[in-house]
Amino acid sequence: EAGVVQSPRYKIIEKKQPVAFWCNPISGHNTLYWYLQNLGQGPELLIRYENEEAVDDSQLPKDRFSAERLKGVDSTLKIQPAELGDSAVYLCASSLWGGSADTGELFFGEGSRLTVL
Amino acid sequence: KNEVEQSPQNLTAQEGEFITINCSYSVGISALHWLQQHPGGGIVSLFMLSSGKKKHGRLIATINIQEKHSSLHITASHPRDSAVYICAALMDSNYQLIWGAGTKLIIKP
Repeated sequence: EAGVVQSPRYKIIEKKQPVAFWCNPISGHNTLYWYLQNLGQGPELLIRYENEEAVDDSQLPKDRFSAERLKGVDSTLKIQPAELGDSAVYLCASSLWGGSADTGELFFGEGSRLTVL
Repeated sequence: KNEVEQSPQNLTAQEGEFITINCSYSVGISALHWLQQHPGGGIVSLFMLSSGKKKHGRLIATINIQEKHSSLHITASHPRDSAVYICAALMDSNYQLIWGAGTKLIIKP
């Protein structure tokens, strides 16, 4: 089975341009995360979905970032307009939380590396 | 004080040494994750556990719920184990993931 699929892998844009990232989680996974990771640092949560509901978007800069998870499967993360400081790797992760540690393992995509010039 | 603390922050060891990375947390959790990230690479889940011990190859993860402490052990370490190891606690109140700062491990041949 395919893992978490993200696209594009790399994106270079000029500042003030829009950009969108797409994530296809593992089939059946109800929880989907979008993280931002800067070089040498740990991942920072942007938004967490349970099915199609955004249950934690407190760290999402809503003036320029938006996300959606239609039908509780694929998700998109959009930045408009992009700023220089948005250059980072955007990671998508999914899990199936069934209430025990026998489920709920986190699976990460390879990430989308954004460079804003 | 961070809710999830890892130690050490950096660890350099010789090939073959037994490695221990520690993770302490102050919140109530449903489970704890151990993850690995190689330089320039993606994040890979190693373990998810809520009690006892799990073993996979040369990796062993333990957790003590009463003491709110987990450890990741690597036996017979190898240079390919060089990576950042991160623990993340799944809070039982809201299922929010709280991440540790990571431990950068370097294994010298």
